[in-house]
Amino acid sequence: NAGVTQTPKFQVLKTGQSMTLQCAQDMNHEYMSWYRQDPGMGLRLIHYSVGAGITDQGEVPNGYNVSRSTTEDFPLRLLSAAPSQTSVYFCASSFSGTSGVHNEQFFGPGTRLTVL
Amino acid sequence: AQTVTQSQPEMSVQEAETVTLSCTYDTSENNYYLFWYKQPPSRQMILVIRQEAYKQQNATENRFSVNFQKAAKSFSLKISDSQLGDTAMYFCALVGAGSYQLTFGKGTKLSVIP
Repeated sequence: NAGVTQTPKFQVLKTGQSMTLQCAQDMNHEYMSWYRQDPGMGLRLIHYSVGAGITDQGEVPNGYNVSRSTTEDFPLRLLSAAPSQTSVYFCASSFSGTSGVHNEQFFGPGTRLTVL
Repeated sequence: AQTVTQSQPEMSVQEAETVTLSCTYDTSENNYYLFWYKQPPSRQMILVIRQEAYKQQNATENRFSVNFQKAAKSFSLKISDSQLGDTAMYFCALVGAGSYQLTFGKGTKLSVIP
């Protein structure tokens, strides 16, 4: 199993450009999520999904869109990048019950995004 | 709302010694789950230990153990016989039993000194 994969590993954007961060998992996990990690801030949840066709907002969703058309893939879209979105982005997945997620999160290797 | 506080931004420990990382939290849930994750310089997030709040027994994984004080809302991580490979950021995290949203603390940077 490849686990959770993310592409690209590094990306530089100019303000106003759009891009999609890719995330895929091959563990048949229902739950997938996106976090951003900023210095001194820990990890903050952007969006999450509990299954194909179901997404919801986390703590810091503004400026980001997600969709979940398959169990395996959970892309994160930046429609108009801003310097405040410079961060390291992590995708994670886990098994989840019908009433919450309390199992181990499996994380991807992260994407370092710089917005100039 | 739930919060997780890690009050020690940085710590250091001599190799083979024991170190304890602090974590306090606040939640209105009666049942919840607590985690410690490790992030070495490679940036990969790795689960260290997991605790279910309704279980009174403290979780243990080899050299890693927790001191879970539910009434005090405290969840500290003890690392025994510290090794150079333990050098990493350590994050405490919390999720309510009925929730899909994990809340992470800001992290503690641990350096193991040879």
